[in-house]
Amino acid sequence: GAGVSQSPSNKVTEKGKDVELRCDPISGHTALYWYRQRLGQGLEFLIYFQGNSAPDKSGLPSDRFSAERTGESVSTLTIQRTQQEDSAVYLCASSFWGANTEAFFGQGTRLTVV
Amino acid sequence: QQQVKQSPQSLIVQKGGISIINCAYENTAFDYFPWYQQFPGKGPALLIAIRPDVSEKKEGRFTISFNKSAKQFSLHIMDSQPGDSATYFCAAVDGGATNKLIFGTGTLLAVQP
Repeated sequence: GAGVSQSPSNKVTEKGKDVELRCDPISGHTALYWYRQRLGQGLEFLIYFQGNSAPDKSGLPSDRFSAERTGESVSTLTIQRTQQEDSAVYLCASSFWGANTEAFFGQGTRLTVV
Repeated sequence: QQQVKQSPQSLIVQKGGISIINCAYENTAFDYFPWYQQFPGKGPALLIAIRPDVSEKKEGRFTISFNKSAKQFSLHIMDSQPGDSATYFCAAVDGGATNKLIFGTGTLLAVQP
């Protein structure tokens, strides 16, 4: 596709349920990030994938959060046993390898836990 | 661990005025400093970026000023317009092994007509 695609765009789930969020990066982009953005807040780093290197999981807030990426393609962010404080917009970004490269963001998935 | 500190958290500017957002960092391994602009309901998008071997970069009404010795950089928006109202994030990239993008906390800019 032309840009980073995230699905679903909106997700409402009941507390305690598991959710899976999907990110399709731009073709050829080896780097992929997940961020969480609470209403009116900044970008909270969650996880970073770079090619075949071990992912940087230092931002995952708890063991209920996990993410996978298949090669240099699709990534899924899974939140188990969702809590109300998980409600936020989850943003995915991808870029080519290299310091001077632009990261392109998707539109995000708005997660609401009720 | 906040590696890029951004201020102010919010800013109100009159139309035609100058908006200034400041960022500071500690990690001398950072070697690329982009600014991202985010409109409500959208993902952030690259606005302008600078490398530390340059002290200033200008693109239209947007200018980045960079002070390597002080480890500070700032975004200036000249002749601010209501359409500039958005959240602005500074960022830094560690050009070493990770090339990881690290964001500041964001500044909500409101330009009043």
